[in-house]
Amino acid sequence: SQKIEQNSEALNIQEGKTATLTCNYTNYSPAYLQWYRQDPGRGPVFLLLIRENEKEKRKERLKVTFDTTLKQSLFHITASQPADSATYLCALANSGNTPLVFGKGTRLSVIA
Amino acid sequence: NAGVTQTPKFRVLKTGQSMTLLCAQDMNHEYMYWYRQDPGMGLRLIHYSVGEGTTAKGEVPDGYNVSRLKKQNFLLGLESAAPSQTSVYFCASRGTNTGELFFGEGSRLTVL
Repeated sequence: SQKIEQNSEALNIQEGKTATLTCNYTNYSPAYLQWYRQDPGRGPVFLLLIRENEKEKRKERLKVTFDTTLKQSLFHITASQPADSATYLCALANSGNTPLVFGKGTRLSVIA
Repeated sequence: NAGVTQTPKFRVLKTGQSMTLLCAQDMNHEYMYWYRQDPGMGLRLIHYSVGEGTTAKGEVPDGYNVSRLKKQNFLLGLESAAPSQTSVYFCASRGTNTGELFFGEGSRLTVL
C-alpha cells in the first residue's frame, strides 16, 4: 500500500540549532514533493517544492533534499527560532495533475 | 487579495441534518480541493475538481457531495451528517502551472 511517513509526531530543539524533519514514502513515484507549515487553528501554508530531478532546494533558512533512491526527503531549518514552532507537513504527487497526498505532520517546538 | 475563503468557519449540526460548506477563490485557479483533517490522521482528500463543471472522488468521499458550477466556487455538501464527519475541513486551490496549494482557514464542523 502507499504510505507517507513523517518520522516523528513531535520534535523539540533548542533555539539556534538546526531542525531536521524526515519524510519517507513507499509505493509512490512522485513527480514532486512539497513542504507546508501549519500553525494551530490555521490552514497550511506552502514553503517549498522540489521536483524529482532536483537534489536540493533552498529558501532563506530552509533547505529541502529529495532522494528518490532512498524515497526520502529531508527538511532543514537552520538557526531555528521560537517563531519556527509549528507543524510541518510533507506532501507529494505522482504527476502534475494528481492531487497532493499529505503526511501526518511533525510538530516542531523551538525552545528559547 | 482574499485568496481562499471558506464559510462558515464554525458549525454545529445534529445527526441527520444537512449543510453545505462554501469555498471561494479569487485567483482564477483551475484546480480546487476539499480535505478533512482529524487528529492523528493528517489531511485526507474528500473530493476535488480540475475545472468548472468537473468533480472527482478523493480518498474519503463517502457521505459527501460536491459541485463546481462556477470556476471560483467549490461547494461541499453533507446530505445527512454523522458524528464521524466531525472534523476540520480545508479547501485549497492551485493554478494550472504550479503545484503549490493555497488553503483556506478551515471550517470546524461538529456533529452531535
